[in-house]
Amino acid sequence: NAGVMQNPRHLVRRRGQEARLRCSPMKGHSHVYWYRQLPEEGLKFMVYLQKENIIDESGMPKERFSAEFPKEGPSILRIQQVVRGDSAAYFCASSTQAQGQGAMQPQHFGDGTRLSIL
Amino acid sequence: TQLLEQSPQFLSIQEGENLTVYCNSSSVFSSLQWYRQEPGEGPVLLVTVVTGGEVKKLKRLTFQFGDARKDSSLHITAAQPGDTGLYLCAGLPTDSWGKLQFGAGTQVVVTP
Repeated sequence: NAGVMQNPRHLVRRRGQEARLRCSPMKGHSHVYWYRQLPEEGLKFMVYLQKENIIDESGMPKERFSAEFPKEGPSILRIQQVVRGDSAAYFCASSTQAQGQGAMQPQHFGDGTRLSIL
Repeated sequence: TQLLEQSPQFLSIQEGENLTVYCNSSSVFSSLQWYRQEPGEGPVLLVTVVTGGEVKKLKRLTFQFGDARKDSSLHITAAQPGDTGLYLCAGLPTDSWGKLQFGAGTQVVVTP
């Protein structure tokens, strides 16, 4: 979907395990955003990263969740010691430059990773 | 927290009819984007509106950004079954660098 690649598409974990979600942005995009979508709810912003930097993590839970976007390789959203409430669809988006005042580059989304916690 | 409220939540119409989806907020956005999402897939960008009062057309879809940049609408003319999907509006707050705020979505069903 629009060139943003997420894997795996589906991930099943037992309570207490770790979940690693990967996102490769569109070619030429250096800005990555992670969102979470719960059933019957809209997408909620989690974190915004540039290469090797976290720009805004105001939507990330304080514990167990972390994200990185290394110089080489995909962005990783990591959830430690998963609980049933972490079950959701996690979407990654990318853009060519930061959105904001005067910058209109839209965010393009991947098809998401559906995380199920047993 | 700036909330984007979409209405209606669900819309079922016959092929050939027109429909309008609304996206409202009490806060100002620097831009607003409309996406369509199919089951099991990610949101696909339809349009970005930036200027207050701006109107953009995409075939049978017409998007409008309110003069005050607080609200937007999506109008579909002569809807077709292929228009079925979840329509999402997403606003970029004026003090934000990338933190899109999404509405809960409007599920549109167009029956033949």
